[in-house]
Amino acid sequence: NAGVTQTPKFRILKIGQSMTLQCTQDMNHNYMYWYRQDPGMGLKLIYYSVGAGITDKGEVPNGYNVSRSTTEDFPLRLELAAPSQTSVYFCASSWDTGGEQYFGPGTRLTVT
Amino acid sequence: KNQVEQSPQSLIILEGKNCTLQCNYTVSPFSNLRWYKQDTGRGPVSLTIMTFSENTKSNGRYTATLDADTKQSSLHITASQLSDSASYICVVSGGGTYKYIFGTGTRLKVLA
Repeated sequence: NAGVTQTPKFRILKIGQSMTLQCTQDMNHNYMYWYRQDPGMGLKLIYYSVGAGITDKGEVPNGYNVSRSTTEDFPLRLELAAPSQTSVYFCASSWDTGGEQYFGPGTRLTVT
Repeated sequence: KNQVEQSPQSLIILEGKNCTLQCNYTVSPFSNLRWYKQDTGRGPVSLTIMTFSENTKSNGRYTATLDADTKQSSLHITASQLSDSASYICVVSGGGTYKYIFGTGTRLKVLA
């Protein structure tokens, strides 16, 4: 099992550009999450999904969009990138709500 | 407000020494508490999970304790190794819509 994989590992964007962060899990987990981690802060939930076709906003959804067309994939879309979106982004999955979360290796994004 | 606070923010110890990290939470309702280890540039990895009825749980040199009455948990690391250098994150499940409340972590550095 590869677990949770994320691409790319690093990316630099110019203000106003857009991009998609990819996330795939091979554990057949229903629940998937996107977090951002800023220096000295706890992980903040951006969006989550409880199954294919079902997504919902987390604490900090503004400026992001997600889709969940399959159980395995949960891409995160940034539209009109802003410097405030400079962060490390982690994708995670779990078997059930409240269960152990498995994290991907992260994507370090810089917006200049 | 659901919150998880960790102390200290950072800690430096010599290899072979023991240390204890603290986690206080105000999360309701409470489901479980996990300690995660996050190596630099990697995603968090679960170390232990504790439910309401558990007081102590060990995973090798890591021992977690939970006092549900005072809403405090600790992570004790015995005979530290250089590879223990990482951030340790306390995560409480159960509170509110988003289910996982993350602490800001304790950054541990073990010196030779």
